[in-house]
Amino acid sequence: KAGVTQTPRYLIKTRGQQVTLSCSPISGHRSVSWYQQTPGQGLQFLFEYFSETQRNKGNFPGRFSGRQFSNSRSEMNVSTLELGDSALYLCASSLFLSRGNEQFFGPGTRLTVL
Amino acid sequence: KNEVEQSPQNLTAQEGEFITINCSYSVGISALHWLQQHPGGGIVSLFMLSSGKKKHGRLIATINIQEKHSSLHITASHPRDSAVYICAVGPEETSGSRLTFGEGTQLTVNP
Repeated sequence: KAGVTQTPRYLIKTRGQQVTLSCSPISGHRSVSWYQQTPGQGLQFLFEYFSETQRNKGNFPGRFSGRQFSNSRSEMNVSTLELGDSALYLCASSLFLSRGNEQFFGPGTRLTVL
Repeated sequence: KNEVEQSPQNLTAQEGEFITINCSYSVGISALHWLQQHPGGGIVSLFMLSSGKKKHGRLIATINIQEKHSSLHITASHPRDSAVYICAVGPEETSGSRLTFGEGTQLTVNP
């Protein structure tokens, strides 16, 4: 089975722009979670989608949004980029929306905001 | 205080040494995860635990739910074990797969 894929792998944007990142989960997995990793804050949960609905949301501003499609692929969008949005964005997929699920991580998208 | 605390933050060992990384958490959890992150960013899930002990090759993970503490052990360490090891918990009060992470332990194993 193919693993979790994320595109693009690297991205450079300037302040004020917006960006869309994509995540394709493992075939059959229906839950997709997104995380942000920065040197200062470490790994932080952004949001989780299951059956095309956001089920959980972390403590991030409304500039961060996402969606999930009927094939479970997910996208996240960051509008009005700030320098502090420079980070590694990871998505993870799991079979179901339930506590104690094993998660499988993608390789990440490294976003640099200039 | 973070909900998940790891120690040590940095660890340097000689090849062959036995290594222990500790994780303490302050919330009720549904499961605890040990993750490995290599340079470049990709994260691999090593273990998911809700009780007891698990072993995979040279890696052993234990959890004590009453004491809210987990340890990751690496026996006969090897330079290829050099990576960041991250402890993460799935909080009991959340319905989904949301994880809360420790700050990670940077492990360097020298030949």
